[in-house]
Amino acid sequence: DADVTQTPRNRITKTGKRIMLECSQTKGHDRMYWYRQDPGLGLRLIYYSFDVKDINKGEISDGYSVSRQAQAKFSLSLESAIPNQTALYFCATRAPVYNEQFFGPGTRLTVL
Amino acid sequence: GQQVMQIPQYQHVQEGEDFTTYCNSSTTLSNIQWYKQRPGGHPVFLIQLVKSGEVKKQKRLTFQFGEAKKNSSLHITATQTTDVGTYFCAGPENSGGSNYKLTFGKGTLLTVNP
Repeated sequence: DADVTQTPRNRITKTGKRIMLECSQTKGHDRMYWYRQDPGLGLRLIYYSFDVKDINKGEISDGYSVSRQAQAKFSLSLESAIPNQTALYFCATRAPVYNEQFFGPGTRLTVL
Repeated sequence: GQQVMQIPQYQHVQEGEDFTTYCNSSTTLSNIQWYKQRPGGHPVFLIQLVKSGEVKKQKRLTFQFGEAKKNSSLHITATQTTDVGTYFCAGPENSGGSNYKLTFGKGTLLTVNP
């Protein structure tokens, strides 16, 4: 089984709809991240969390919110989706010692 | 804020040719990480370099960290079709010495003609 899972894997929605992307991990890591990937722009950080009581904004947090329900779960919400939020979204965890990040398989979101 | 620049953006090679991607940071880094993302896949950690001037090898891949710890490179010798993908470098943002937030370069997309 994958260590970091994301649901859904693909989602098509309409402008103005509320969308939640979910991430679960079995690695036992405290640090979790949400990134957005657009062609030619690399990976940009949306939000990150060090533990269930700690949530921090990344470089592109506007229009997004997150919830850390448990150590293993970190959800990303788009309260009112807009077309320029069409992108590939990745959740990741960070290992505590060596610092490498482990990415989930991604969620491809299309906002019409 | 910290910027991590990567060149080239794209590189197309014939199988067997060498490939190099370069990464430059606007600030001194405590370490640098490299990731590979296969087409349709997710980024996968390759390696972390920590020491000034460090060189590490993984089979045909050679990673270097500059003496000033502001630049890095990834060199692939004799590329194979399995090397296809986007290679990202990433450096931690300086915040009290913590490595909790990475800034990624935009990546280099490598395609290999068999």
